[in-house]
Amino acid sequence: EAQVTQNPRYLITVTGKKLTVTCSQNMNHEYMSWYRQDPGLGLRQIYYSMNVEVTDKGDVPEGYKVSRKEKRNFPLILESPSPNQTSLYFCASSYGTSGNPWASSYNEQFFGPGTRLTVL
Amino acid sequence: AQSVSQHNHHVILSEAASLELGCNYSYGGTVNLFWYVQYPGQHLQLLLKYFSGDPLVKGIKGFEAEFIKSKFSFNLRKPSVQWSDTAEYFCAVNAQRSSSGSARQLTFGSGTQLTVLP
Repeated sequence: EAQVTQNPRYLITVTGKKLTVTCSQNMNHEYMSWYRQDPGLGLRQIYYSMNVEVTDKGDVPEGYKVSRKEKRNFPLILESPSPNQTSLYFCASSYGTSGNPWASSYNEQFFGPGTRLTVL
Repeated sequence: AQSVSQHNHHVILSEAASLELGCNYSYGGTVNLFWYVQYPGQHLQLLLKYFSGDPLVKGIKGFEAEFIKSKFSFNLRKPSVQWSDTAEYFCAVNAQRSSSGSARQLTFGSGTQLTVLP
């Protein structure tokens, strides 16, 4: 089954304790992205990746890191989580068009089930 | 920077009522437009999208949307809603940059929660 998976689905942690949220897709998609969803703000993009070893900042990258060492995986890293990072996080992927950044984000994005993170 | 406005934060309808959810964006160039739906406890799913051509786009589950370029709008409609349409609906815009080459990302609206009463 084609899907985007995220782990963990729920996480409660404390301020400053490094954590990683994993994202994996089995559709051979080039483009992957992380969003956070907050009430009244919709989804805001944190980081995205056009392909392996190619990442860039979205609208709200502060306090987050990502890496793209393999095509299928795009982990989100919080080096020192703070309470304002309490949110619902979604990973998404889509087909890309090599060398055409516009077309890559033009395609339908498939979303993971979400990770609800609470930072105390 | 592009922005997307969904002015209706919460809409409550009875079954069989007609639905129209507003979506306005601010960008003067070429845009691609999307509506996503998030059912309770589930991830986002694509309802429909507009890239070019006929401005009236039909999606899944009887939804449609009309792109009106002069009004910068992409409103979502359904003639007769069902209880199972209860969900949060997000409009999203992907605007084409000029020749800078930097990738563009989807910008989402804040969402509209639709509650359909049986």
